[in-house]
Amino acid sequence: DVRLLESGGDLVQPGGSLRLSCAASGFTFSDYAMTWIRQAPGKGLEWVSTLSGSGGAAFYGDSVKGRFTISRDNSMEELYLQMNSLRAEDTAVYYCAKWGISGILVGDYWGRGTLVAVSS
Amino acid sequence: DIQMTQSPSSLSTSVGDRVTITCRASQNITFYLSWFQQTSGEAPKLLIYAASSLQSGVPSRFRGSGSGTDFTLTISSLQPEDFATYYCLQTYTTPWALGQGTKVEI
Repeated sequence: DVRLLESGGDLVQPGGSLRLSCAASGFTFSDYAMTWIRQAPGKGLEWVSTLSGSGGAAFYGDSVKGRFTISRDNSMEELYLQMNSLRAEDTAVYYCAKWGISGILVGDYWGRGTLVAVSS
Repeated sequence: DIQMTQSPSSLSTSVGDRVTITCRASQNITFYLSWFQQTSGEAPKLLIYAASSLQSGVPSRFRGSGSGTDFTLTISSLQPEDFATYYCLQTYTTPWALGQGTKVEI
C-alpha cells in the first residue's frame, strides 16, 4: 500500500524557519515527482511546490518562491520542505502528494497533512 | 499564469440529485485537468484525471468531461458520502493552479 506521512509541523514565530518531512512507502519513490500543497484554515487548496523524481527540477508557487526549498532523499524515500522567513499567511495544513511524471495522473495519493502555525 | 475559475462556489442539493460543477481555465490546458474531493478534515481524494479518466476505485456516478478551457464534473445521483468540497486542478503548465472549490451541501 502507498503511504505518505508528513511531520515537522509546529508553532513558529514570524520570520522563523521550519522543515517539513514526508516519509513515503509502497511505491518506487524515485520514479515519481512529489508535491506539497497547503490549505489555510477555512480556505481552499494552494499548490506550493513540486520536485521531479531525480530532484533535478523544482517548481514553486509565487507566494513561496525564494523562501521555501523543496528537496528529497531517494535513498531514504523522504521529501522535505524547508520553509524560511515564515509569515502569518503561511499558516496552513501542508500535504505531500505523489505526482505523476507526465503531469497527467497527479495527486493519486496524499498524506494526512501536518499543521504549520505562524504566530507571535 | 493560468487561472482556474470554478462555479458555483456552493450548492444545496439532496440525495439522488444530479450535480454539475464547472471549471474554466484562463487559457487552453488541453486535457490536463483533475478533480478532487475533500471531506471535512480529510486529505483530498483524486476522482478524475486527464479531464475524463475515472481514478481506480471511484464510483462510476462521477464523470468528468471537457477539454481546452471548459470542464465539467458531474455526479449522476448524489449519495450521502458525496457531500464535500470539490476542486479542479490544472497541470498543463506551472504554476499549477487549483479552482477555489465548490462546496456541495445538503
